[in-house]
Amino acid sequence: DAGVIQSPRHEVTEMGQEVTLRCKPISGHNSLFWYRQTMMRGLELLIYFNNNVPIDDSGMPEDRFSAKMPNASFSTLKIQPSEPRDSAVYFCASPHSTGELFFGEGSRLTVL
Amino acid sequence: AQSVTQLDSHVSVSEGTPVLLRCNYSSSYSPSLFWYVQHPNKGLQLLLKYTSAATLVKGINGFEAEFKKSETSFHLTKPSAHMSDAAEYFCVVIPYSSASKIIFGSGTRLSIRP
Repeated sequence: DAGVIQSPRHEVTEMGQEVTLRCKPISGHNSLFWYRQTMMRGLELLIYFNNNVPIDDSGMPEDRFSAKMPNASFSTLKIQPSEPRDSAVYFCASPHSTGELFFGEGSRLTVL
Repeated sequence: AQSVTQLDSHVSVSEGTPVLLRCNYSSSYSPSLFWYVQHPNKGLQLLLKYTSAATLVKGINGFEAEFKKSETSFHLTKPSAHMSDAAEYFCVVIPYSSASKIIFGSGTRLSIRP
């Protein structure tokens, strides 16, 4: 298995632009997490999907952030409009039934 | 309330000397406990996990951790540090039957001196 795949690995954009981050979880894993990591705040849970349904989105910062999981093999995290304070590394993770979380390599977002 | 505390934000050791990264947790029920490692510009990778089978858990790359319920600790150790161990380490708690409520520690940056 290729593991959790995220794209793009790096994105540089200007304030106000729309950003879409993509994640392909491990096949057969029924849940998916989106995290944001910054030096100041560490790892923050943004949203948790189970069987493609958003279960907990309390970590989504504001209405500018949205996430979808149209099927078991694909999820997107969208920021519109983006702001400099959104600059961070965004991770997608899919959990095994044992509880182990498999992380993607992250998408590093820089908003100028 | 569930929580996890990593007692040191930064630990520096010499190559070949022991490593100790400390983690204390708070959980109402028997939690699952994990240690993850994050190398620069990489995602987090599982080092080891405790799920009540044995209190001393062995992981990858020579790391191990001991679950001490009386001390609510799950410290990570390695007898002899290697330069490649330099990374960020996260202690993680999953409260019983709450797979979505994963709690990450703030991380400990491990530096290895030659």
